[in-house]
Amino acid sequence: AQSVTQPDIHITVSEGASLELRCNYSYGATPYLFWYVQSPGQGLQLLLKYFSGDTLVQGIKGFEAEFKRSQSSFNLRKPSVHWSDAAEYFCAVGARSGAGSYQLTFGKGTKLSVIP
Amino acid sequence: NAGVTQTPKFRILKIGQSMTLQCTQDMNHNYMYWYRQDPGMGLKLIYYSVGAGITDKGEVPNGYNVSRSTTEDFPLRLELAAPSQTSVYFCASKMNTEAFFGQGTRLTVV
Repeated sequence: AQSVTQPDIHITVSEGASLELRCNYSYGATPYLFWYVQSPGQGLQLLLKYFSGDTLVQGIKGFEAEFKRSQSSFNLRKPSVHWSDAAEYFCAVGARSGAGSYQLTFGKGTKLSVIP
Repeated sequence: NAGVTQTPKFRILKIGQSMTLQCTQDMNHNYMYWYRQDPGMGLKLIYYSVGAGITDKGEVPNGYNVSRSTTEDFPLRLELAAPSQTSVYFCASKMNTEAFFGQGTRLTVV
């Protein structure tokens, strides 16, 4: 079964600073990889996704992520953080379960705080 | 384009009461999912469905039931509410590989 690890529970960065949120996954093959963002009291919004091809993927709101097969990682980055980026970020893996159905497995999330 | 709609947004239940969380999608997606979200725990899969008439258990199904009589609707039923079911519940639907989420239902059991 697939699993996702987000090592950082909470990260605080200054506005304008760069950001990297870590994500490691466990799966036997190349999975589908996603980053979602959740603002307080809201649902989850897809930031970006990786299926195949170019390992650096661009998403919305100026985010990007890089898939590194050798490290089983899919880290999320942003060159300059804005106060409105304060939210919780979830990495997810999409893969077929043993029963053949497609399931989306989430990490525990990383809460991002942005200080002025 | 409504996407995935969940009702109600908030609910307080007493221990032992029952309720149904509603989820409907208008994108004709085959896959639908119910997750619960607890602080620091991410999202845990409760039940999922690969199409009308087909449902299966996820990681944390105990205390819940689902049905999928139509493609659009995937209600989640709590028969005997317990404090451990206090959580935020998210419904999602999927076509191909991208999932779309509802806004969530915040449930408190007291």
